[in-house]
Amino acid sequence: AQSVTQLGSHVSVSEGALVLLRCNYSSSVPPYLFWYVQYPNQGLQLLLKYTSAATLVKGINGFEAEFKKSETSFHLTKPSAHMSDAAEYFCAVRRGSQGNLIFGKGTKLSVKP
Amino acid sequence: NAGVTQTPKFQVLKTGQSMTLQCAQDMNHNSMYWYRQDPGMGLRLIYYSASEGTTDKGEVPNGYNVSRLNKREFSLRLESAAPSQTSVYFCASRKDSHEQYFGPGTRLTVT
Repeated sequence: AQSVTQLGSHVSVSEGALVLLRCNYSSSVPPYLFWYVQYPNQGLQLLLKYTSAATLVKGINGFEAEFKKSETSFHLTKPSAHMSDAAEYFCAVRRGSQGNLIFGKGTKLSVKP
Repeated sequence: NAGVTQTPKFQVLKTGQSMTLQCAQDMNHNSMYWYRQDPGMGLRLIYYSASEGTTDKGEVPNGYNVSRLNKREFSLRLESAAPSQTSVYFCASRKDSHEQYFGPGTRLTVT
C-alpha cells in the first residue's frame, strides 16, 4: 500500500536561505510522486512531478526535487527562499491505476524577512 | 478556460440540513475527485469518478453521495449534515497525465 510521510508540520526559514521540505513515501510499485503548493485560501497548484524519468525534477518558482529510491525520499528544495514562498506544501503519491492521490499531512513554510 | 470551478465558495449549515456542492471542469478530463481538507490531516479522498457514469468510494465516503452528471460536472451531496463534516472541500480533475487540477474549494461550516 502507498503512503506518504512529510517530516515537520512547520518549517521556518529566513529570506534568501535554503528551503528543504522532506517527504518519504512507501510504495509497492514504482511510484509517481508530486509536490503541490497551497497559498492561503486557495486551491492546490502543482509544483512538480516525478513519473520515472529523470530523478532530479525541476518545477515552477525555482523549486526542484530529487527522487532517491534507496532512501524512498522525494525532498523538495529551493536554493533561496522568497517571501512569496510562504504557503503550505503537500507531497503526494499516486495510488493504483485510477490515478488517485495519497497526500501527506502538509508542511507549512514560513519565510522571515 | 476556467479550469475547475466550485460553488458555493462558503456555506453554513445547521445539523441535519442537506446541500449539494457543485463542481465543473472545462478541460475535457475523464476523471474527477472530491477531497476534504482538515487541519493537520492533509487531503483525504471522499469519492472519485474515473469516467462519466462511474463513481467509487474513496477513503472517507460515509455521510456523502456523489453524482457524475456528465463529463464536465461532478457533484457532492450531504444528505444530513453533521458538525464532523465541517471542512474545506476540493474538487479535482485529471485527464491522461498523472497530475490532478484543483478547484478553489468550498468552506463548509456545520453548526
